[in-house]
Amino acid sequence: EVRLVESGGGLVQPGGSLRLSCAASGFTFTNYEMNWVRQAPGKGLEWLSYISSYGTTIYYADSVKGRFTISRDNAKNSLYLQMNSLRAEDTAVYYCARAESYGGNSGLFSWGQGTLVTVSS
Amino acid sequence: SYELTQPPSVSVSPGQTARITCSGDAFPKQYAYWYQQKPGQAPVLVIYKHIERPSGIPERFSGSTSGTTVTLTISGVQAEDEADYYCQSSDSRATYPGVFGGGTKLTVL
Repeated sequence: EVRLVESGGGLVQPGGSLRLSCAASGFTFTNYEMNWVRQAPGKGLEWLSYISSYGTTIYYADSVKGRFTISRDNAKNSLYLQMNSLRAEDTAVYYCARAESYGGNSGLFSWGQGTLVTVSS
Repeated sequence: SYELTQPPSVSVSPGQTARITCSGDAFPKQYAYWYQQKPGQAPVLVIYKHIERPSGIPERFSGSTSGTTVTLTISGVQAEDEADYYCQSSDSRATYPGVFGGGTKLTVL
């Protein structure tokens, strides 16, 4: 069974930093591209970042470019999101998600349960 | 930046057919993916590559395309289908999932 478990969320002050982790199990981690998606309270889904299976290709949404860094440790079957210079508008549930394409652009076939990040003083 | 446009809400009675549209300039070249999200839960993929249904998703869920609009159709809507639905795709040059539609709240009357 595919399992993605996020951790690392919590309360942080504006301007602070936080590192999210996503532990993957039930599949061969190195075979899959991974993504981070967030959802602010009462709002829709927002794609944040993508990382290829060996970390050689990375993309970010404009809203987090220069502040957030995605990475992965294939030996530990883990995905990370380093978040710096946090703002109140970064308050959201953060999901990690596994991508699959079957040819063409990819979609998100498996999701974790999410971890809540609250940015507030 | 690339945008996908969905109606904010759709309402249907049980047993009727619900249709949720998603418009984007890169359709149909770029695939559409549809997700169902119930309150307090993570999204679940219900349609991929415009028309394909993942295993475990009921047959009443289907997808279609027409020009630059893709549609999620739920036939014989049930009360349990009440949820938010999001389309997702990529801009014309991308292969990674870069954009979600704003979401559609499906209400079962």
